[in-house]
Formats: sequence, C-alpha cells, structure tokens
Amino acid sequence: KAGVTQTPRYLIKTRGQQVTLSCSPISGHRSVSWYQQTPGQGLQFLFEYFSETQRNKGNFPGRFSGRQFSNSRSEMNVSTLELGDSALYLCASSLTSGAGGDTQYFGPGTRLTVL
Amino acid sequence: KQEVTQIPAALSVPEGENLVLNCSFTDSAIYNLQWFRQDPGKGLTSLLLIQSSQREQTSGRLNASLDKSSGRSTLYIAASQPGDSATYLCAVSGNQFYFGTGTSLTVIP
Repeated sequence: KAGVTQTPRYLIKTRGQQVTLSCSPISGHRSVSWYQQTPGQGLQFLFEYFSETQRNKGNFPGRFSGRQFSNSRSEMNVSTLELGDSALYLCASSLTSGAGGDTQYFGPGTRLTVL
Repeated sequence: KQEVTQIPAALSVPEGENLVLNCSFTDSAIYNLQWFRQDPGKGLTSLLLIQSSQREQTSGRLNASLDKSSGRSTLYIAASQPGDSATYLCAVSGNQFYFGTGTSLTVIP
C-alpha cells in the first residue's frame, strides 16, 4: 500500500507570493492533518480535514487555509508569504479523525523557503 | 492549552546500552499518546501508539508506557544500535495533536 505523498518536495518563493501544497493520503484514509515544523517552534498543528470538512484548527493566521477533496486528497494554501513561513510542512493521514485515536502516518514533507 | 515536554533534549549513548526517553504533558484528558522517530530532513515514522486506557505497548526492542494520571510517558529502547540515531517525538491527542520538542538520540558505534 502506498504511503502518504506530498508534492512538491521543495519550493522557493518570495515574500508576498502565495503557495499551494498537496497531500495524498494512504488509500482508504479519510483524515488529513497538516503541520508546520520549524527549528524554533517545533511541530505545530495547522488543521485537520475529515470527509471534506475542517474538523480542527490550530492557532495560525487566516493566511493559512486548506481544503479536502472527495477522494481525500488535501491541499494547503498560504497567501501573502512571510519570511517566517519558511518551514517543513508535513501532512499526516489516518483512517478516522486523527485526534480521536488513530495512528497518524506522515508524508515526507514539503520544504518551503521564503526569500 | 496542552503542553508537552521531552527530556532530555539530546542524548548520546554507546551502542548496546538500554535507554529511556521521557515525555510529560499537562492535561491528562487525552485520547492517546504516540511516539515517532524523525530522521534528518524527513517525515515522521510512527513507532508506538498507546490508547488512553492502556498502560504500555511493545514493538520489538521498544516499549512505551503511559501514566495518564501523572501526565507521563516513557519510551524504553533496549540494546541500542547506531540505526536508532534519530529525533524521537511524542505526541498527545485531545482535540488536536500536540507534539513535544523531541529528544535527539545519537548511538555511538
């Protein structure tokens, strides 16, 4: 069974631009969660989608948004990029709602650099 | 707000040694606790998941325990190997996942 895939793996953008990251969960998984990882803040939860609905949201500004499609694939969008958005963005999939008790399986991440 | 702390932040041990990594959390109202390892520049690999009703889980050389009432979990690694070198993260789930800052483990051949 294929694992969680994320595209692209690396991105370089400039301040003020916007970016869209994609995550394809493990087949059959309906929950996708997004995380931001930085050396200073560690891993921080962005949001979780389950069956095309946002279930939970972390403490990030509205510039960070996401959506989930009927095939469970998810996209995350960041508008008006700032230097501080440079990070490794990870997505994780699980069978049911991630926070409820299922094992989360992580993708390799997208490394975003904002210049 | 849930806070998750991992001690020590870094650990270096000779190959073959048994070791314990610690994770503590402030809110005992959790669904489960999960241990992950992360290799440099890569995603996370799930090691063990302990449901809130369980006390421990074992997988090979790894054993994780959970004491929800005291807000603590430990990850025991037996007979460490150089391939165990990685950052180990614990995460607790309530309405979302909260991650600790990790323990960077180096196993010296």
